[in-house]
Amino acid sequence: SQKIEQNSEALNIQEGKTATLTCNYTNYSPAYLQWYRQDPGRGPVFLLLIRENEKEKRKERLKVTFDTTLKQSLFHITASQPADSATYLCALASGGGYQKVTFGTGTKLQVIP
Amino acid sequence: NAGVTQTPKFQVLKTGQSMTLQCAQDMNHEYMSWYRQDPGMGLRLIHYSVGAGITDQGEVPNGYNVSRSTTEDFPLRLLSAAPSQTSVYFCASSGGTRTYGYTFGSGTRLTVV
Repeated sequence: SQKIEQNSEALNIQEGKTATLTCNYTNYSPAYLQWYRQDPGRGPVFLLLIRENEKEKRKERLKVTFDTTLKQSLFHITASQPADSATYLCALASGGGYQKVTFGTGTKLQVIP
Repeated sequence: NAGVTQTPKFQVLKTGQSMTLQCAQDMNHEYMSWYRQDPGMGLRLIHYSVGAGITDQGEVPNGYNVSRSTTEDFPLRLLSAAPSQTSVYFCASSGGTRTYGYTFGSGTRLTVV
C-alpha cells in the first residue's frame, strides 16, 4: 500500500541551528512533492513544491531536496527561529493527472531560544 | 480576497443527524478537496474535485457525499452522523496541483455526540 512517513517524534532544535525534517514514501511515483506548515488550530499553509526533475529548491531560509531513487525528501530550515516552531507536513500527488494529494502525518518542530 | 471560506467553524451534532459543511473559494481554482484531521492520523482525504461536475473519492469517503455544481462551492454532506466522524474538517483549493499548493480554509471542528 502507499505510505508517506514522517518522523512522528517532535524535533527540538536550538535557535540559529539548521533543522532537517524527513519525508519517506513507498509505492508512489510522484511527479512532485509539496511541503506545508501547520500551526495549532489553523489550516496548513503551502511552503514549497519540488518536481521530480528538480534535485533541490530554495525559498529564503527554506531548502527542499527530492531524491526519487531513495524515495525521500529532506526539508531544511537554516538559521532557525522560535517563530519557525510548528508542524511541517509533506504531501504527494497520485492518480491520473496527479490530482489526488495525500499528506504525511507531519513532524512537530520546536525551536528553543 | 477571502480565499477559502468554511462554515460553520464549530458544530455539535447528535448521532444520526445530517448536515452540510460549506466551502467556498473566490480564487477561480479548479481543484478542491476535503480532508479530515484527527490526532495521530494526519490529514486524510475524503473527496476531491478537479472541476465543476467532477468529483472522486479519497481515502475515507464512507459516510460523506459531495457535489460540485459551481467552480466556487464544494459542500460536504454528512448523511447520518456517527461519533467516529468527530474531527476537524478542512477544505482546500488549488489552481493546479502540479504547480501550486493547496490553499486551506480555517477548518470546521465537528463533534458528534
